[in-house]
Amino acid sequence: GAVVSQHPSWVICKSGTSVKIECRSLDFQATTMFWYRQFPKQSLMLMATSNEGSKATYEQGVEKDKFLINHASLTLSTLTVTSAHPEDSSFYICSASAEHYNEQFFGPGTRLTVL
Amino acid sequence: KQEVTQIPAALSVPEGENLVLNCSFTDSAIYNLQWFRQDPGKGLTSLLLIQSSQREQTSGRLNASLDKSSGRSTLYIAASQPGDSATYLCAVGYGQNFVFGPGTRLSVLP
Repeated sequence: GAVVSQHPSWVICKSGTSVKIECRSLDFQATTMFWYRQFPKQSLMLMATSNEGSKATYEQGVEKDKFLINHASLTLSTLTVTSAHPEDSSFYICSASAEHYNEQFFGPGTRLTVL
Repeated sequence: KQEVTQIPAALSVPEGENLVLNCSFTDSAIYNLQWFRQDPGKGLTSLLLIQSSQREQTSGRLNASLDKSSGRSTLYIAASQPGDSATYLCAVGYGQNFVFGPGTRLSVLP
């Protein structure tokens, strides 16, 4: 099956710093990538959807200026958490889908801890 | 707006039992439904994907059914093992997105 990687797998940072998370599709071209957030013992909540070369579409309640998404190529999307605070600590998971396919392939996730 | 629920929220069974996990969704206009497994602190492992035109999928001891008209899916696990202990999530493909249920936390006791 298609493989999606994320880097880093975990990160600890100080409050006020920015953190970048990468999501890569390793063996297919991902026309659309999705970013999810999962708080402890909760399910995944979609944050935003991005199509290659265009601006991301954010879900209601997600601050676009805080969570910057760049889908610069068909194999890479990045999520930057700007001025991170402890309440941003969460598990961030990306997924990717190829054109004409309705299946999403998920990355292994990135655990962010903001001190 | 699509809402996905899962019953039960948690389940504890002795090893060897057959069990059923339930998933319900409010809008039948889905294009697929997928069952995932998530171990604590880990990402998602895809178990079964059912397209909207299909009624069931099987993989090993797992069988998933889909009744789109009634908004239901079940995941059947045969002869459960301690290694099956995890959280099971169902998600429906809806529009351009996946909408996830809250999950069922399964513990299989040796």
